[in-house]
Amino acid sequence: GAVVSQHPSWVICKSGTSVKIECRSLDFQATTMFWYRQFPKQSLMLMATSNEGSKATYEQGVEKDKFLINHASLTLSTLTVTSAHPEDSSFYICSAPDTLTDKPSYEQYFGPGTRLTVT
Amino acid sequence: GNSVTQMEGPVTLSEEAFLTINCTYTATGYPSLFWYVQYPGEGLQLLLKATKADDKGSNKGFEATYRKETTSFHLEKGSVQVSDSAVYFCALSRGGSNYKLTFGKGTLLTVNP
Repeated sequence: GAVVSQHPSWVICKSGTSVKIECRSLDFQATTMFWYRQFPKQSLMLMATSNEGSKATYEQGVEKDKFLINHASLTLSTLTVTSAHPEDSSFYICSAPDTLTDKPSYEQYFGPGTRLTVT
Repeated sequence: GNSVTQMEGPVTLSEEAFLTINCTYTATGYPSLFWYVQYPGEGLQLLLKATKADDKGSNKGFEATYRKETTSFHLEKGSVQVSDSAVYFCALSRGGSNYKLTFGKGTLLTVNP
């Protein structure tokens, strides 16, 4: 099956710094990728839809200037948490559907997640 | 709008017990339905899926049938194992140009030996 990777798998950063998380589709092209945030023992909260070659679409309540998303190629999307604060500590997960070959199930493939801790 | 309601846990079972996790949905048209599993500290893995009414998805002994008349997609397994301990998410996708997944809140399953 299709594989999505994330890097890093975990990161610790100091308050006020920025951190970049990468999401890659390893064996398929992803015109769309999704970024989620998951708090402990809770469901996934969709943050934004990343579109290759265009601006990301953010969900209501998500600060686009704080969570910068870039989808520069068909296999890579990045999420940059700018001026991170302790409340940004969370588990960030990306996913991507294989829209070119995987119809009509619209299945999404998930990355393993990135644990961000802001101290 | 679309929504998914699933049985909230936690659910605690003994090994070899029968498992049911209820899931119902609200959506227009004919969504695709999914069960995802998340093991501790990991991302989500697709467990099974169904794309149209009366389809039965199955994998690793788990089954779920797409019931349009009851808008349900209940997850079942006849005999659970300790290794099945995880969080299970029911989800739907409307497809088309919008591949967004709508998730239920997740159900934590713990299987004791």
